[in-house]
Amino acid sequence: AQSVTQLGSHVSVSEGALVLLRCNYSSSVPPYLFWYVQYPNQGLQLLLKYTTGATLVKGINGFEAEFKKSETSFHLTKPSAHMSDAAEYFCAVSVSFGNEKLTFGTGTRLTIIP
Amino acid sequence: GAGVSQSPSNKVTEKGKDVELRCDPISGHTALYWYRQSLGQGLEFLIYFQGNSAPDKSGLPSDRFSAERTGGSVSTLTIQRTQQEDSAVYLCASSLAIFGRSSYEQYFGPGTRLTVT
Repeated sequence: AQSVTQLGSHVSVSEGALVLLRCNYSSSVPPYLFWYVQYPNQGLQLLLKYTTGATLVKGINGFEAEFKKSETSFHLTKPSAHMSDAAEYFCAVSVSFGNEKLTFGTGTRLTIIP
Repeated sequence: GAGVSQSPSNKVTEKGKDVELRCDPISGHTALYWYRQSLGQGLEFLIYFQGNSAPDKSGLPSDRFSAERTGGSVSTLTIQRTQQEDSAVYLCASSLAIFGRSSYEQYFGPGTRLTVT
């Protein structure tokens, strides 16, 4: 079975500062990794994904994440936070090609301080 | 094009009643997933449909929960004899996942907020 741990249920950063949201996973087979964002009263939107190939993946809205197998991590970063980044972020893993059900972390609520 | 739609957006029901939640996936998407988002359990997988294959029901929490997908498109999640612990947001997602080629991208609907009183 796979699992995802997101360190920090709440993260606050100042506008313009670096955003770092942490995600560690556990999987017995090579994982597919995802970051989703959820704005209030909305569904989930895919930010970025890692399946195979380059370990540094770039997503929408200036976010990127790096898959580090040795650390079983997939941390999400953005160089400069914007007020519009305030939302809840979920890291997720799937492991089965052909049935890509997602196992989610508990989420990190990002607050941007003006 | 239209995204994943879900109806109703909100549903309030009395304990013990049955409810049906509907999901319209993106046209042409072969895979459909149901998830549940609740304060106590976070986001959890419920059920997965892919084409004409038997669904993966491994995430359904009890036999009060069932789902069907008619004609490979619209899906209905049914909860019988609702309990207060069923209160949650039920999310539907679809993806283009034809064996051998997958986008690995699930598109989520806005969800149905279910409140059991």
